[in-house]
Amino acid sequence: QSVLTQPPSVSGAPGQRVTISCTGSSSNIGAGYDVYWYQQVPGTAPKLLIYVNSNRPSGVPDRFSGSKSGTSASLAITGLQTGDEADYYCQSFDSSLSGSDVVFGGGTKLTVL
Amino acid sequence: QLQLQESGPGLVMTSETLSLTCTVSGGSITVNNFYWAWIRLPPGKGLEWLASIYYSGSTYYSPSLKTRVTISVDTSKNRFSLNLSSVTAADTAVYYCARAQYGSGNWWFDPWGQGTLVTVSS
Repeated sequence: QSVLTQPPSVSGAPGQRVTISCTGSSSNIGAGYDVYWYQQVPGTAPKLLIYVNSNRPSGVPDRFSGSKSGTSASLAITGLQTGDEADYYCQSFDSSLSGSDVVFGGGTKLTVL
Repeated sequence: QLQLQESGPGLVMTSETLSLTCTVSGGSITVNNFYWAWIRLPPGKGLEWLASIYYSGSTYYSPSLKTRVTISVDTSKNRFSLNLSSVTAADTAVYYCARAQYGSGNWWFDPWGQGTLVTVSS
């Protein structure tokens, strides 16, 4: 069971907009820790997609955007393309009485119909 | 362009030690402000950070695995390594190495290696 909760799957038609949620708690996202998003196209290495909640590394299209509010974060993808089919993971940091650790979501599989 | 490549056995026996190496090319492992990390993806589960290291030798471990994990760096060969002791089937996963950055109390990882599948079997 991952500390950050993501929907197992989302889908959309080409050209549409989809969002992927990442729900945490007061010891991670809600505590102010930044959120990062990674994209893993099948058969390839994970790739940093969004850093510090809403910033795109060089080369990532502006069709991808991230946001954070309260104890949750979201990744939005507009103008869906078949090449966007991948697994998406959110990541943050968790600090509680039991310790501190990097935490990931369980991943969301995006299917472009 | 920085590239990372994992290497090591694909099969490890239960209770033994899993050993992997990540070779960095296209850049130096001794660059300031960058760290080096191991992350794994067990089948059907989410990603899990294991450990990070700075080229000076400073290490950072996941609390849940701290007693079994050792990360080390060999700057002369531009590579770093992972040892995971007393493995069980629960340690079966794709193991990734990655370059890490640290800031605002958090880590992030970019780029990543292609990953290597390690199966633990009796």
